[in-house]
Amino acid sequence: DAGVIQSPRHEVTEMGQEVTLRCKPISGHDYLFWYRQTMMRGLELLIYFNNNVPIDDSGMPEDRFSAKMPNASFSTLKIQPSEPRDSAVYFCASSPTSPGTGSEQYFGPGTRLTVT
Amino acid sequence: AQSVTQLGSHVSVSEGALVLLRCNYSSSVPPYLFWYVQYPNQGLQLLLKYTTGATLVKGINGFEAEFKKSETSFHLTKPSAHMSDAAEYFCAVSDLPGGTSYGKLTFGQGTILTVHP
Repeated sequence: DAGVIQSPRHEVTEMGQEVTLRCKPISGHDYLFWYRQTMMRGLELLIYFNNNVPIDDSGMPEDRFSAKMPNASFSTLKIQPSEPRDSAVYFCASSPTSPGTGSEQYFGPGTRLTVT
Repeated sequence: AQSVTQLGSHVSVSEGALVLLRCNYSSSVPPYLFWYVQYPNQGLQLLLKYTTGATLVKGINGFEAEFKKSETSFHLTKPSAHMSDAAEYFCAVSDLPGGTSYGKLTFGQGTILTVHP
């Protein structure tokens, strides 16, 4: 398996623009997670899905952020409009079962977002 | 809510020296515990995990961690550091069913390990 695939790897955009980050989880994994990593706040869980259904979006910072999972092999994280404080590395991860069962999460390489 | 504390945001050791990275969690009910490693410009990968059974857990690359319930700790060790161990290390916990953080991982702030020749 190719692992978790994220695109783009790097994104530079201007404030106010819409940004869409993409993720393809490992085939057969029922859980998908979106994280944000910054120097100030560390690694934060934004939202996670189980079988394409959002389970917990309490980490989504505000209404400018939205995430979808239209099918088992694809998810998007959208920021509209983007702001400089959104600059971070965004990771997608997947796991075959819930972390509550002790299951490992498999991380993608991340998307480095810079908003100027 | 569950919280994870990693003591020391930066740890520096000499090659061949003992590596000790500290992690404490807040749950009164022992959760599942994980250590992940992140190499520069890469995603996180699992080093080891504790779920049940033996409290001393061995992982990849010679790392091990011991779950101590009485101390609510899960410290990561390696007897002899290699240059290739330089990376950022994250401790994480997940609650069992019924816990407030069930179904997701809560990560510590990370510890950057530097290995000197």
